[in-house]
Amino acid sequence: EPEVTQTPSHQVTQMGQEVILRCVPISNHLYFYWYRQILGQKVEFLVSFYNNEISEKSEIFDDQFSVERPDGSNFTLKIRSTKLEDSAMYFCASSVERGGRNEQFFGPGTRLTVL
Amino acid sequence: DQQVKQNSPSLSVQEGRISILNCDYTNSMFDYFLWYKKYPAEGPTFLISISSIKDKNEDGRFTVFLNKSAKHLSLHIVPSQPGDSAVYFCAATTTQGGKLIFGQGTELSVKP
Repeated sequence: EPEVTQTPSHQVTQMGQEVILRCVPISNHLYFYWYRQILGQKVEFLVSFYNNEISEKSEIFDDQFSVERPDGSNFTLKIRSTKLEDSAMYFCASSVERGGRNEQFFGPGTRLTVL
Repeated sequence: DQQVKQNSPSLSVQEGRISILNCDYTNSMFDYFLWYKKYPAEGPTFLISISSIKDKNEDGRFTVFLNKSAKHLSLHIVPSQPGDSAVYFCAATTTQGGKLIFGQGTELSVKP
């Protein structure tokens, strides 16, 4: 069964460093998402991406964040200058369509630890 | 922002009995609702969904009920099995939107 994959599973970085989190969505899916879950809190939407551009972003997704689909298979989330409060699980998701039966399929997550 | 709320952080049920997980929402624009199951160190796994034009959707042991007037949905698991022990999240979205708004989750423990 096709699945969303994410690498790395765990990333440790120093505050102020740049990190890139990688995702390979399900191959026939068209919509891509990043969510995060800070320990003990709910899963929060960060950004959605369609047709090579951002379709929606949350207040969390400020200028420090960017997304890219560089090669038609990978979908990346870059954090330019990490802060302590960026420590969280980051989940990538993909779906076939935006509205309607919007069943998003999630990857296993990347645990980001900022020291 | 508490648009989707799961007021019970945990639920403990005996194996074979029914598990009922509840979820409330405030945004009347939501028209599609989903339940996800999550194990520690894994991503959420899609379980079952329901459109706002329906009041019930069933898939095997899982049934989701939607009460639009009360802005309430529930997930019933019958019979509950120890392997069902996980955190369950409800989520909501709009047909014209795309992002999922999640509740805080309910940790279900099914005891043998």
